[in-house]
Amino acid sequence: DVKVTQSSRYLVKRTGEKVFLECVQDMDHENMFWYRQDPGLGLRLIYFSYDVKMKEKGDIPEGYSVSREKKERFSLILESASTNQTSMYLCASSRKGETQYFGPGTRLLVL
Amino acid sequence: AQSVTQPDIHITVSEGASLELRCNYSYGATPYLFWYVQSPGQGLQLLLKYFSGDTLVQGIKGFEAEFKRSQSSFNLRKPSVHWSDAAEYFCAVAINNNDMRFGAGTRLTVKP
Repeated sequence: DVKVTQSSRYLVKRTGEKVFLECVQDMDHENMFWYRQDPGLGLRLIYFSYDVKMKEKGDIPEGYSVSREKKERFSLILESASTNQTSMYLCASSRKGETQYFGPGTRLLVL
Repeated sequence: AQSVTQPDIHITVSEGASLELRCNYSYGATPYLFWYVQSPGQGLQLLLKYFSGDTLVQGIKGFEAEFKRSQSSFNLRKPSVHWSDAAEYFCAVAINNNDMRFGAGTRLTVKP
């Protein structure tokens, strides 16, 4: 089975803090994705990566950056957390052109 | 603009009753189509997908979906709902796998 893990299930941070969300997949997938999920809005793509050190902006990249130094790991970085970044963050991975598989999510609260 | 619409925010059905969740999309070409389910506090699990071929697709947990090109729809169905089916359901479409768009979700409540 595909396994996508996220470093934290719940996270509480203060405004202005730098926040790192980590995602690891064990299936040698080329593609990795970060989404945020908000009630009534579904999932919105923040960034994705189709190879090591490669990244592409999604629909809502503002306030976020990403890092992919190794194929299995994709990190989402909030340079200076703000309260409007309180959300559920979901990571996914896939082979090229194939189905995305999701991690359990990280629920982030920014105070 | 490309979009995915799930018209029903919340649906309540009785256990044992049939279920249909609606999904409509607006894309220039026939996209890849997906249904995912999310249990409370969990990530998304793939129920089924349509890439091409037979327009009636069978998935896990007894779910099926039918692609209707003329209606730009991909509705999810189950003949008899179980209490464990209570969850949020997301329809998603993709032209390629790097550009997946999700609907806002439909929350399903199952009455005993």
